[in-house]
Amino acid sequence: RKEVEQDPGPFNVPEGATVAFNCTYSNSASQSFFWYRQDCRKEPKLLMSVYSSGNEDGRFTAQLNRASQYISLLIRDSKLSDSATYLCVVNFFYGGSQGNLIFGKGTKLSVKP
Amino acid sequence: EPEVTQTPSHQVTQMGQEVILRCVPISNHLYFYWYRQILGQKVEFLVSFYNNEISEKSEIFDDQFSVERPDGSNFTLKIRSTKLEDSAMYFCASRPQGSGTDTQYFGPGTRLTVL
Repeated sequence: RKEVEQDPGPFNVPEGATVAFNCTYSNSASQSFFWYRQDCRKEPKLLMSVYSSGNEDGRFTAQLNRASQYISLLIRDSKLSDSATYLCVVNFFYGGSQGNLIFGKGTKLSVKP
Repeated sequence: EPEVTQTPSHQVTQMGQEVILRCVPISNHLYFYWYRQILGQKVEFLVSFYNNEISEKSEIFDDQFSVERPDGSNFTLKIRSTKLEDSAMYFCASRPQGSGTDTQYFGPGTRLTVL
């Protein structure tokens, strides 16, 4: 069974705060990991891929722990424009699969002035 | 920057009617997908398409659904007889071929409302 679990939030934080989101996935066959951002009634947009070594993109840092099947996203110095729903996404490639994305329900972030 | 496009942005239809949702994937991409998102719920995989055939489909993708790549650019999702519960956002996505290129790029979606 393929499941991705996230805390739905909402996370209400002031501008400048640091906020962390966590995600767990159930299928150890997962091979690729992503954080997508989704604004209200818009399409998911790739925020960053997540690698075992951890990776950083400006104010955003993602970590992957394959042994615990756990993914995290850290946002530093939150901006008003960071307000969105953050989707944890895993990709399964096995057998004949072409890599279908499995989405979590998302964590809603609201950054306040 | 190339983008996935979808038309129409909003489709309203009566229950039992057929609808066709259209997508133009990014031009050098070879894998195509449809996902849907019912309001307030998570994005769910429907079907993947490669080399002019379905490569995988979910339980949601029953006999009422079909996909087609009628020409070199369009990728369509047809729902033969819509039901109320088909009301959702439908997202098309595409990705290129090759190792290290498993990122999928999403179109803006078509909002389907079934009355």
